[in-house]
Amino acid sequence: DVVMTQTPPSLSVAIGQSVSISCKSSQSLVHSDGKTYLNWLLQNPGQSPKRLIYQVSNLGSGVPDRFSGTGSEKDFTLKISRVEAEDLGVYHCVQATHVPLTFGSGTKLEIK
Amino acid sequence: QVQLQQSGAELAKPGTSVKLSCKASGYTFTSYYIYWVKQRPGQGLEWIGYIYPGNGGTYYSEKFKGKATFTADTSSSTAYMLLGSLTPEDSAYYFCARSRYFDYWGQGVMVTVSS
Repeated sequence: DVVMTQTPPSLSVAIGQSVSISCKSSQSLVHSDGKTYLNWLLQNPGQSPKRLIYQVSNLGSGVPDRFSGTGSEKDFTLKISRVEAEDLGVYHCVQATHVPLTFGSGTKLEIK
Repeated sequence: QVQLQQSGAELAKPGTSVKLSCKASGYTFTSYYIYWVKQRPGQGLEWIGYIYPGNGGTYYSEKFKGKATFTADTSSSTAYMLLGSLTPEDSAYYFCARSRYFDYWGQGVMVTVSS
């Protein structure tokens, strides 16, 4: 199974700051169809996850452009520019290139 | 608008089964995979597998083979997951989500296994 190593496990940031979360995979996430199926999710407290980014860098519908995703092969980053209060929660990366799909261990974002 | 509506919380005894539902609306049910995800309280997300309602094809993560069984009723646009031989380790939230892009999620359902 592909191991997704997500760091840091937690972050505490002030409103308006920028932060980055890393996700590294144990195998290349480039699919045989040429696409890279790496998604980023946000789970606000007490809520189900919601999709932020798909295929590394594509912003989901309705997601603010403060969120951006970069990376390739085995190394991926989610950046949040100008953090807002509504951004608190747990961020998850998930690879959907290989079965079984696997998730990172999560990054808990707290607001100072 | 696309929605995935899951059934209500379940309290079950060890050794029994529960059948969870995920009712889809706002899109063509048979055109998208439904993925199932487990989350124990305070823990990370774990992929169980998927069903493709278009042809009933399924895939189970190795860990959940024999534990979970997926079905889909195209007449009601509802996907189901049967969890059998329940143990306390099956106590968790279970989510359904649409496709490998996880673009839509159900609200989740809490399953509690206790005698």
